[in-house]
Amino acid sequence: DVKVTQSSRYLVKRTGEKVFLECVQDMDHENMFWYRQDPGLGLRLIYFSYDVKMKEKGDIPEGYSVSREKKERFSLILESASTNQTSMYLCASSLLGSGSNQPQHFGDGTRLSIL
Amino acid sequence: GDSVTQMEGPVTLSEEAFLTINCTYTATGYPSLFWYVQYPGEGLQLLLKATKADDKGSNKGFEATYRKETTSFHLEKGSVQVSDSAVYFCALSDSGSGYSTLTFGKGTMLLVSP
Repeated sequence: DVKVTQSSRYLVKRTGEKVFLECVQDMDHENMFWYRQDPGLGLRLIYFSYDVKMKEKGDIPEGYSVSREKKERFSLILESASTNQTSMYLCASSLLGSGSNQPQHFGDGTRLSIL
Repeated sequence: GDSVTQMEGPVTLSEEAFLTINCTYTATGYPSLFWYVQYPGEGLQLLLKATKADDKGSNKGFEATYRKETTSFHLEKGSVQVSDSAVYFCALSDSGSGYSTLTFGKGTMLLVSP
């Protein structure tokens, strides 16, 4: 089975801090994704990566950056955390595949609170 | 752009009742369609998928049929259990953008009582 591991289940940080969320997958997937999940808004894509050192903006990239130095690891960075970034963050990975039929595999999420 | 619309929840049912969660979509290309489930405190798990018109995806007693003419992918189960209580997300993946990103609906919470 595919395993996507997020480094923390719960995290509490202060406004203005630089925050790192880490995600590791063990199935040699090319694609990796970061989402945030908020009540009533569903999942929104922040950034994704289809290869090492490659990144693409999703729907809500403002206030975030990402890093993919190794194929298995994809980091989400909050450069200067703000209270409106309090949310559940979900990492996912998928095979590159052909067409659009490759499912994404999700980690258990990191619930981040910014005080 | 692409979008997915799901019925709002919560959907509250008694055990063994029939379940339908409606999902409709808008897409520019030929999307693949997915249902994901999120149990309390966990990430999303793939429940089923369909990759072309008239395909039926099925898993764990759940099924959904890709209806291109009505742009729908409704989730059904004949007899729900308490353990099916979760949030269900409909999603589409459209390779027309060049990347297999997913567009999600807002999710529908299902609560099943004994």
